[in-house]
Amino acid sequence: QSALTQPASVSGSPGQSITISCTGTSNSFVNYNLVSWFQQHPDKAPRLIIYEVTQRPSGVSFRFSGSKSGNTASLTISGLQAEDEADYYCCSYADGSSYVFGAGTRVTVL
Amino acid sequence: EVQLVESGGGLVQPGGSLRLSCVASGFTISNHNMNWVRQAPGKGLEWISSITASGSATYYAASVKGRFTIARDNAKNSLFLHLNSLRVEDTALYYCARENVLMVTCDSWGQGTLVTVSS
Repeated sequence: QSALTQPASVSGSPGQSITISCTGTSNSFVNYNLVSWFQQHPDKAPRLIIYEVTQRPSGVSFRFSGSKSGNTASLTISGLQAEDEADYYCCSYADGSSYVFGAGTRVTVL
Repeated sequence: EVQLVESGGGLVQPGGSLRLSCVASGFTISNHNMNWVRQAPGKGLEWISSITASGSATYYAASVKGRFTIARDNAKNSLFLHLNSLRVEDTALYYCARENVLMVTCDSWGQGTLVTVSS
């Protein structure tokens, strides 16, 4: 499957907003809204925070929001908090009933 | 509460085999496609296999196709992954994940079981 490209790291100060990009080239990524985002704290399992580009599962803070334009999806974290320091992965449903993940972005709260 | 508990990981020599298990509670796996995702130490997530709710179809990443086999026992609410011809590069934490067909993603994950391939 085609890879999803994310920046290795993003940082921000408490209260700021940051945006993580995820770029893909496959037909399923560009033409369908099947992008999800996961948060992973050290030594913890991934946690779903965004699905279908913009949807938040129950219990996920409104400070997390998603968007997509063309071949780039984005995750924005508003009002950055210390607890948001984690790794974030984008994911896309792909051809052949499979999934492809980005390499992950380490978010640091300064 | 939805729970997924993996087991079966361990240290194995290159070329060896293992069987991983994932027991679900709080929901019925027969209503869900199920997936295995792995994470090598210090690396990102890699989807490796999925199986439909009935078990009638299975899918694999190119990196494991022909060596790994996914299976399920809906009566026991369990998912399995048979790992054969293991390589050093298969060393990873293996997660079991439930697929939510409405969300088109994996919405619940276990804590993982560690597979270490080394001589």
